[in-house]
Amino acid sequence: DAGVIQSPRHEVTEMGQEVTLRCKPISGHNSLFWYRQTMMRGLELLIYFNNNVPIDDSGMPEDRFSAKMPNASFSTLKIQPSEPRDSAVYFCASSPGGTRGREPQHFGDGTRLSIL
Amino acid sequence: DQQVKQNSPSLSVQEGRISILNCDYTNSMFDYFLWYKKYPAEGPTFLISISSIKDKNEDGRFTVFLNKSAKHLSLHIVPSQPGDSAVYFCAASQEGGGADGLTFGKGTHLIIQP
Repeated sequence: DAGVIQSPRHEVTEMGQEVTLRCKPISGHNSLFWYRQTMMRGLELLIYFNNNVPIDDSGMPEDRFSAKMPNASFSTLKIQPSEPRDSAVYFCASSPGGTRGREPQHFGDGTRLSIL
Repeated sequence: DQQVKQNSPSLSVQEGRISILNCDYTNSMFDYFLWYKKYPAEGPTFLISISSIKDKNEDGRFTVFLNKSAKHLSLHIVPSQPGDSAVYFCAASQEGGGADGLTFGKGTHLIIQP
């Protein structure tokens, strides 16, 4: 079975550029999560979707960050304009959904983002 | 303000011995706890979970203990094997909370020595 698929695996770009990270959740999963991992703050939840609808985006750092889920099989996280402090590993995860936080989330292998 | 804390950044254990990873939490509303394991360049993978109505859950070599009064949980791995070398994350969630996402600790790097 295919797991959560993230692309690209690595992204290096210059400050000020737009960055788009992509995620394909596991088929049949209703919940999708975007996390960011940094040395200082560990793994932080950025935004959570249920049935393609954003439920909680309180973790999104600022307006430069936006996320969409146009359909059940695709989500994007966009940073515009990007800044060096956005450098981190970004993970996407999905779960079957339904019971709040009770079903283990399945993570993709992450996108390592470096902003120069 | 870290709500889930793993105070040991790393832990070294001899192969065959017991590994004990600890996790403390401050939010008394948390009622479901999970442990994830992460290898380099991969995403975290689910290992074991426990509901707050239990104080112990066992799955093969892995056992999680929950002490609600102390707001403390631990993961025991016995016997430890070389493939257990990884970063272990403790995570928590709450019923009726604002987000269905998980609150993670910063992780403990477990090193199993031959």
